[in-house]
Amino acid sequence: QVQLVQSGAEVKKPGASVKVSCTASGYTFSNYPIHWVRQAPGQGPEWMGFISPSGGYTVSAQELQGRVTMTTDTSTNTVFMGLTSLRSEDTAMYYCAREGRNFDFWGQGTLVTVSS
Amino acid sequence: NFKLTQPHSVSESPGKTVTLSCTRSSGSIATSYVQWYQQRPGTSPTTVIYENNQRPSGVPDRFSGSIDISSNSASLTISGLKTEDEADYYCLSYDSSNQGRVFGGGTKLTVL
Repeated sequence: QVQLVQSGAEVKKPGASVKVSCTASGYTFSNYPIHWVRQAPGQGPEWMGFISPSGGYTVSAQELQGRVTMTTDTSTNTVFMGLTSLRSEDTAMYYCAREGRNFDFWGQGTLVTVSS
Repeated sequence: NFKLTQPHSVSESPGKTVTLSCTRSSGSIATSYVQWYQQRPGTSPTTVIYENNQRPSGVPDRFSGSIDISSNSASLTISGLKTEDEADYYCLSYDSSNQGRVFGGGTKLTVL
């Protein structure tokens, strides 16, 4: 069965960086792009960007350009999302999602808390 | 760039029918497919409608989707409401200007 398993919760100080992983299994990794979506407490989802399965192509939300980096490790079917210069507004649940004809499978989410 | 606007909250009784709207601010709603996601507290979103009106396997046919060009909006209709339908619902569409994805702000559906 298709699974996306994300890394555990993180607590970071303002100005620091975070890297969240998303490991895929149960399907052909090279066939589907992976998107990242975050959701601040009590808010709706915010699309962050996506990466092609080969890792060769990324698109990120304009508001995050310059701070977000997405990479893949095809040897382990893992996608990484890095976010730099963290601020309190980056506190959120971060999800990875596979894109077929829609976001058909999601990771369980990784809570990133930014606090001094 | 465009925005998708959804009513903040809707309430309806079990057994009734409810329609949730998602209005696109600029550009035609027909330009890109609309998807609808259901999210219960503490869980990841799940798809209930994709490509405007397609249901993933496992989603009951009580859920249906449509678009209306005249109002530039998409709708999610849930008939025969059940208490288990109580959740947040988000619409999503593709922004061809930047290859991005745009979420609506979400509607909290209360079934009581």
